[in-house]
Amino acid sequence: GQNIDQPTEMTATEGAIVQINCTYQTSGFNGLFWYQQHAGEAPTFLSYNVLDGLEEKGRFSSFLSRSKGYSYLLLKELQMKDSASYLCAAMDSNYQLIWGAGTKLIIKP
Amino acid sequence: GAVVSQHPSWVICKSGTSVKIECRSLDFQATTMFWYRQFPKQSLMLMATSNEGSKATYEQGVEKDKFLINHASLTLSTLTVTSAHPEDSSFYICSARDEGEAQPQHFGDGTRLSIL
Repeated sequence: GQNIDQPTEMTATEGAIVQINCTYQTSGFNGLFWYQQHAGEAPTFLSYNVLDGLEEKGRFSSFLSRSKGYSYLLLKELQMKDSASYLCAAMDSNYQLIWGAGTKLIIKP
Repeated sequence: GAVVSQHPSWVICKSGTSVKIECRSLDFQATTMFWYRQFPKQSLMLMATSNEGSKATYEQGVEKDKFLINHASLTLSTLTVTSAHPEDSSFYICSARDEGEAQPQHFGDGTRLSIL
């Protein structure tokens, strides 16, 4: 079956770095997406990886290893506003998104 | 770019009422739109995939006659919750995908539906 695994919750300190991991199993693969969702709001798109390697976008970077079925989202210089849920989603061979349950990130001062 | 507008943002109505939610892509054409439901502290649940000019594809367990989806143009999809009951109270979110299947989905702001 198709499956996405990511930690339920993580805690980090303001100004620090945090890495949120995601492993996936899908029927075929057309890329890996990361979304940010603040409480009570809709998700917003952060990144898309389809090739192996690291994509950097400001304070946020996303990494993909297709052979390992593994991705991570790296957040640097954490700010209080980064407190949110981070959703990992893999796109299968039918271009359908398989969603993870999300990782709730708590930032402490 | 890639802005999706969803209305209304909040609905409170009596049991038995039908509620229509609109989802519009403002600056791109969306051949495919998606409707999700999210209960508090739970993950997104895909309800249906809506393709312009054709019938929506519903996920298992989602009642087609209860959740009517219409995707009449490349910029508008609507979800109508018919004869809503308290158990239909949830956060409903639409998303639209730009042309090209491997494009990201862009989400509307969501509609919080409360049925009394």
